Amino acid sequence: IAGITQAPTSQILAAGRRMTLRCTQDMRHNAMYWYRQDLGLGLRLIHYSNTAGTTGKGEVPDGYSVSRANTDDFPLTLASAVPSQTSVYFCASSVAAGVGEQFFGPGTRLTVL
Amino acid sequence: GESVGLHLPTLSVQEGDNSIINCAYSNSASDYFIWYKQESGKGPQFIIDIRSNMDKRQGQRVTVLLNKTVKHLSLQIAATQPGDSAVYFCAEGSTSNDYKLSFGAGTTVTVRA
Repeated sequence: IAGITQAPTSQILAAGRRMTLRCTQDMRHNAMYWYRQDLGLGLRLIHYSNTAGTTGKGEVPDGYSVSRANTDDFPLTLASAVPSQTSVYFCASSVAAGVGEQFFGPGTRLTVL
Repeated sequence: GESVGLHLPTLSVQEGDNSIINCAYSNSASDYFIWYKQESGKGPQFIIDIRSNMDKRQGQRVTVLLNKTVKHLSLQIAATQPGDSAVYFCAEGSTSNDYKLSFGAGTTVTVRA
């Protein structure tokens, strides 16, 4: 693994289903982030974690949850997917909050029907 | 709430010319600004950042200018190349807000051969 990986690459999901998007980084970065990207709205922060064991809410956290059990992994869970959660999801990491650039993963394209 | 915005959604530039991409921000507490480039189907890629104690910073073929008086940020690309065609996002963050980033909607730059 080099950098940040996300899985799956894309997914079509029925409304009401539970879904976990996976994110793993091998750079030993302390801070990790989840964004969603919708056309015309840029990237919006969903949740973030400044260090393992802590998480915080971003701009659009409703309907999503995260956990940070260790430094490398930062999964994003949709407990009961709704069509408005159709989006491209990007995971990112940085050395620490506000330190260095945020490195982004390749994204997960999620469609909720 | 306060948000970052871009003056123009699209920019067409002749190969070899200089490009200027503008960004307005409204959060006076923001003290950290970043420019990202996103190519089709990929995650955002860091270009350059600047902190509020500076008004200019240069990188390889790029310069970021910060005018705190009018809350304006710009990215200048010298000798624009076909590979510069992408969507460019400005983002802002602040020390007082865990450096959580707010992104603008993006400017699409197209380089004409």
